[in-house]
Amino acid sequence: AQKVTQAQTEISVVEKEDVTLDCVYETRDTTYYLFWYKQPPSGELVFLIRRNSFDEQNEISGRYSWNFQKSTSSFNFTITASQVVDSAVYFCALSPRGSTLGRLYFGRGTQLTVWP
Amino acid sequence: NAGVMQNPRHLVRRRGQEARLRCSPMKGHSHVYWYRQLPEEGLKFMVYLQKENIIDESGMPKERFSAEFPKEGPSILRIQQVVRGDSAAYFCASSPLLGQGEAETQYFGPGTRLLVL
Repeated sequence: AQKVTQAQTEISVVEKEDVTLDCVYETRDTTYYLFWYKQPPSGELVFLIRRNSFDEQNEISGRYSWNFQKSTSSFNFTITASQVVDSAVYFCALSPRGSTLGRLYFGRGTQLTVWP
Repeated sequence: NAGVMQNPRHLVRRRGQEARLRCSPMKGHSHVYWYRQLPEEGLKFMVYLQKENIIDESGMPKERFSAEFPKEGPSILRIQQVVRGDSAAYFCASSPLLGQGEAETQYFGPGTRLLVL
């Protein structure tokens, strides 16, 4: 079965706090990709990052960082020094390379609210 | 570089009418995917198409829904005889060829919000 779990439905922080969004996935495929997308209040989906299953290096992009741990099937996303503009719904997604090649399996999303 | 285009952005239909949602992929992308986002839920895969071919429609309801991606023109998601439960945001995504590194990423359009009265 292919599944993505984002256990945190909503998170509220105050500006400049760090926040981590959790993502746990399940797949039997040995090769897969993991993604994070952002959905701001305007509604569009913005691609943030793609990681393949063979690359467990953590990645940092400005205030964003991602921690991929195959041993715990997790792909967590941290925003450092959060800003009001980070307020959005964040989706984690899985793309297995097996029989369901092509489709993304999404978690239910985490609503992040950053207060000024 | 134009992104994925979807129109209309908002669509209101009465029960029993037909809804046609259009998606133009990014330039150079030959793969199109449709997803549905119901209120309070994540996005669910519906269908995956290449030009003139349906590759995977396992996520699409068996009745009333159909999709196409013709040789020329946009991809169309068609919902016949809409019901209130069809009210949702419908997102289209596109990607270039699969299995080639960067090509794995799906880029999404702004979505079509369908409201069935």
